[in-house]
Amino acid sequence: GAVVSQHPSWVICKSGTSVKIECRSLDFQATTMFWYRQFPKQSLMLMATSNEGSKATYEQGVEKDKFLINHASLTLSTLTVTSAHPEDSSFYICSARTDSGANVLTFGAGSRLTVL
Amino acid sequence: AQSVTQPDIHITVSEGASLELRCNYSYGATPYLFWYVQSPGQGLQLLLKYFSGDTLVQGIKGFEAEFKRSQSSFNLRKPSVHWSDAAEYFCAVANTLTGFQKLVFGTGTRLLVSP
Repeated sequence: GAVVSQHPSWVICKSGTSVKIECRSLDFQATTMFWYRQFPKQSLMLMATSNEGSKATYEQGVEKDKFLINHASLTLSTLTVTSAHPEDSSFYICSARTDSGANVLTFGAGSRLTVL
Repeated sequence: AQSVTQPDIHITVSEGASLELRCNYSYGATPYLFWYVQSPGQGLQLLLKYFSGDTLVQGIKGFEAEFKRSQSSFNLRKPSVHWSDAAEYFCAVANTLTGFQKLVFGTGTRLLVSP
């Protein structure tokens, strides 16, 4: 079946630095990927929709300059948390849909970011 | 806007016992409904989904869910729980206008399985 891989699975960084998280579709092409954020004991919140070859669409309240999304190929989307601060510490999860039109999203295992 | 409520933060069930996880949604029309399971260190795995048709949906791993429009519910059930079912379960809804891609998730229910 379809597999989505995220890297790194966890990262610790200093406040003020930038962190890049990769989301790859391993055995299928994904023109659209989605980035979610999950706080402890809370549900996943959609941050943005990543579109291959075009700008990402951000949900209301999500700072696009803070969370840079690039979807340069059909198998890779990246989320860069710029000038990270402790409040950005969270679990970031990506998902992708295949182009087959199946109404199913495949999720990555998530990336845990801790900002010191 | 649609929303999802999972009233139980965590549930403990004995192995072999039956399970029901509750999910209530808020949406003006017929939504797309999903149940996902998240195990530690793993991504969300789709258990089952409801788009239309038969309101009793069968999923993987022996799970089923029933869509009840009158109660705005989509409860997940399993007749006999296995220790490997211990995980976090999320109910999600998508509206028919924005499509299945924009999922709104509930806060999740953590299932603990006792011997």
